[in-house]
Amino acid sequence: GAVVSQHPSWVICKSGTSVKIECRSLDFQATTMFWYRQFPKQSLMLMATSNEGSKATYEQGVEKDKFLINHASLTLSTLTVTSAHPEDSSFYICSAGGTSGFGTQYFGPGTRLLVL
Amino acid sequence: QKEVEQNSGPLSVPEGAIASLNCTYSDRGSQSFFWYRQYSGKSPELIMSIYSNGDKEDGRFTAQLNKASQYVSLLIRDSQPSDSATYLCAVKYNFNKFYFGSGTKLNVKP
Repeated sequence: GAVVSQHPSWVICKSGTSVKIECRSLDFQATTMFWYRQFPKQSLMLMATSNEGSKATYEQGVEKDKFLINHASLTLSTLTVTSAHPEDSSFYICSAGGTSGFGTQYFGPGTRLLVL
Repeated sequence: QKEVEQNSGPLSVPEGAIASLNCTYSDRGSQSFFWYRQYSGKSPELIMSIYSNGDKEDGRFTAQLNKASQYVSLLIRDSQPSDSATYLCAVKYNFNKFYFGSGTKLNVKP
């Protein structure tokens, strides 16, 4: 199956700093990547859809200036949480795929963010 | 608004039994259907995908799709304690739009 990696897997930062999370598709080209956030004991929440070479499409209620998404190549998308605050602490998960064939999404292992 | 509905559970079954997980969706334009398993603290992993009416089997897992009833299910035969997880149903519509259910928590008791 397709492999998606995320880095870092864990990050702890001080309030007010920015954090960048990388999502890579290792063995396939992903024209579309998705970013999700999941709080404890809650379901996945789609934050944005990113297409290679174009601006990301954000879901309603997600601040595009706070969560910057860049999809510069067919294998790499990044999510930058700018001026992070404790309420941004969450589990961030990317997925890739969704376009070829019947559109299966493959998830990365996730990044756990803790803002102090 | 597209909706994907799942019973949140928990669904408890004894080891060795069949676990039946259900999902309904609201839009007849749905194209593809997926079941993901998510262990606590981990990201979802793909279990099954199904696109056509009927059954699709993969090992102990069987996905069933009924487009007329807008219903997709996942059967897990010979359930094991390691199957204890949250199972997410996902539905794909046009233009890469996916909708996930809130998940059903499955507990398999030894």
